[in-house]
Amino acid sequence: SAVISQKPSRDICQRGTSLTIQCQVDSQVTMMFWYRQQPGQSLTLIATANQGSEATYESGFVIDKFPISRPNLTFSTLTVSNMSPEDSSIYLCSVAKWTSGGAGVYNEQFFGPGTRLTVL
Amino acid sequence: ELKVEQNPLFLSMQEGKNYTIYCNYSTTSDRLYWYRQDPGKSLESLFVLLSNGAVKQEGRLMASLDTKARLSTLHITAAVHDLSATYFCAVDLLIQGAQKLVFGQGTRLTINP
Repeated sequence: SAVISQKPSRDICQRGTSLTIQCQVDSQVTMMFWYRQQPGQSLTLIATANQGSEATYESGFVIDKFPISRPNLTFSTLTVSNMSPEDSSIYLCSVAKWTSGGAGVYNEQFFGPGTRLTVL
Repeated sequence: ELKVEQNPLFLSMQEGKNYTIYCNYSTTSDRLYWYRQDPGKSLESLFVLLSNGAVKQEGRLMASLDTKARLSTLHITAAVHDLSATYFCAVDLLIQGAQKLVFGQGTRLTINP
């Protein structure tokens, strides 16, 4: 498994400001991901954070709004820029680690505790 | 576009009863995960299903995967209050060499004494 921490755990922000969320893993991982979970909803993948190159964004998410850094194999940041109330969500970091199981080797994803963001 | 649909989305049941949550998906995949989320908490991995016919059991929960039918089930036996949570299935896809998880909508399970 993986031990993942996120900072901050929650924040209340004003419209038009930006917030940077940090994700730290206890071991080196190749793949890190950022998800958004809007209130009462499922998880939506924002982007894959690539070490040494630009993040890969999913449809509907752009770098100007959600810039991502991945300076090494244990750390990533997600910035939510120029926030509006619609950005109020839980933002989750996840990592994928190769795991051995009865049916072979697979890439299992583990999730951080999340950052609960409220934008006023 | 890949769709992952869970049924039901809300489930209220009494302790001691049995029930099944269904997860249908629209594209080929032989890897599916079940997660549990308690209110205000992150996701906890419950089961990893890696092949057609896979069945995993942990306590009162049992998950299965039928890749031909593109269907996974999460069966709850003799439910207890502690199982109240939201349950998500997630289909594991490899798209252009990159792994992606696509989540179902979640099933909010409430177990009443």
